[in-house]
Amino acid sequence: AQKVTQAQTEISVVEKEDVTLDCVYETRDTTYYLFWYKQPPSGELVFLIRRNSFDEQNEISGRYSWNFQKSTSSFNFTITASQVVDSAVYFCSYRWGSGNTGKLIFGQGTTLQVKP
Amino acid sequence: DVKVTQSSRYLVKRTGEKVFLECVQDMDHENMFWYRQDPGLGLRLIYFSYDVKMKEKGDIPEGYSVSREKKERFSLILESASTNQTSMYLCASTSRDWTSGANVLTFGAGSRLTVL
Repeated sequence: AQKVTQAQTEISVVEKEDVTLDCVYETRDTTYYLFWYKQPPSGELVFLIRRNSFDEQNEISGRYSWNFQKSTSSFNFTITASQVVDSAVYFCSYRWGSGNTGKLIFGQGTTLQVKP
Repeated sequence: DVKVTQSSRYLVKRTGEKVFLECVQDMDHENMFWYRQDPGLGLRLIYFSYDVKMKEKGDIPEGYSVSREKKERFSLILESASTNQTSMYLCASTSRDWTSGANVLTFGAGSRLTVL
């Protein structure tokens, strides 16, 4: 069965430090999608990025970058020069490809606290 | 600004009460979801609906029911609330064909329910 593991329950860093949030998934599917969502204190999950299984190209968006490696079944998220506004719960999630009504599977979430 | 609105941010109910959690989206989305969020467990799917009057069970439907009489509104019902249903409840929606794995969900801000 598919599974998403975020082994880091809580991370605390000081502002301007770099931080990496780990995400490991298990699957036998060949076609699937991976996502990262951010949940700030306001409660509303916000979509950050989507990757499909055929696209291992890493992505950078401002201070955010994502490293997708199929060989290690990982989709890690790095924040460079963290800021207090980055404090949130971050969820990695997985869904398999197409032609089905399968559900979106979420990891346990990683709470990031960025201290000033 | 497109939105998913959950009518109650905080509710306190007593064991045995019937509880209604309401969710409204203004994006004309076909698909709507109810998730439950608990520490260390991530988000777990309770029910989803891909059309008016249509519903499917998620991972943890026991103790819950849903209603979708209008496209924009998806209600979660706890017929007889119990203390183990104390949790954060998140509603979400998406417009794309749910058979596509690429769907990105838009979430509401959540309803935190305490059952005494």
